[in-house]
Amino acid sequence: KAGVTQTPRYLIKTRGQQVTLSCSPISGHRSVSWYQQTPGQGLQFLFEYFSETQRNKGNFPGRFSGRQFSNSRSEMNVSTLELGDSALYLCASSLVAGSPDTQYFGPGTRLTVL
Amino acid sequence: AQKITQTQPGMFVQEKEAVTLDCTYDTSDPSYGLFWYKQPSSGEMIFLIYQGSYDQQNATEGRYSLNFQKARKSANLVISASQLGDSAMYFCAMRGLSGNTPLVFGKGTRLSVIA
Repeated sequence: KAGVTQTPRYLIKTRGQQVTLSCSPISGHRSVSWYQQTPGQGLQFLFEYFSETQRNKGNFPGRFSGRQFSNSRSEMNVSTLELGDSALYLCASSLVAGSPDTQYFGPGTRLTVL
Repeated sequence: AQKITQTQPGMFVQEKEAVTLDCTYDTSDPSYGLFWYKQPSSGEMIFLIYQGSYDQQNATEGRYSLNFQKARKSANLVISASQLGDSAMYFCAMRGLSGNTPLVFGKGTRLSVIA
């Protein structure tokens, strides 16, 4: 069974631009969560989607948004990029949301904002 | 609110020796799950082991075992017979199960295995 895939793997953008990251969950998984990882703040939760509905949202500004499609694939968008948005963005999938179901992570998208 | 504390920023262990990575947690949720993940330099988070708060026995997965002490709110990861490939960052995480709470991670411990 294929794991969680994320595209692109690496991305370089400039301040003020916007970016869209994509995540394809493990087949059969209906929940997708997004996390931001930085050396200073560690791993921080962005949002969680289940069956195309956002179930939970972390403490991030409105520039960060996401969505989930009917095939459970998810995208996250960051508008008006700032230098501090440089991070590793990790996507994780699980069978269902809000349960002891283990979240399985993708390889991440490393975003650099210049 | 939930909180995970990993007090060891870095640790060294000799190859083939056992090592314990510490994790303490705080939560008001009566039901919760505890997870350990490994993150090699490539960046991908690899699931290692899970312990439910109501599980009577400590979880084990191959060379990984979780020393769960509920009263002390600790969930230490024990890696037996360390291998060079075990060198990585290790994260403890938890999730409350009775409400709509996300997975919360600790700051991590960098383990270095020495030949």
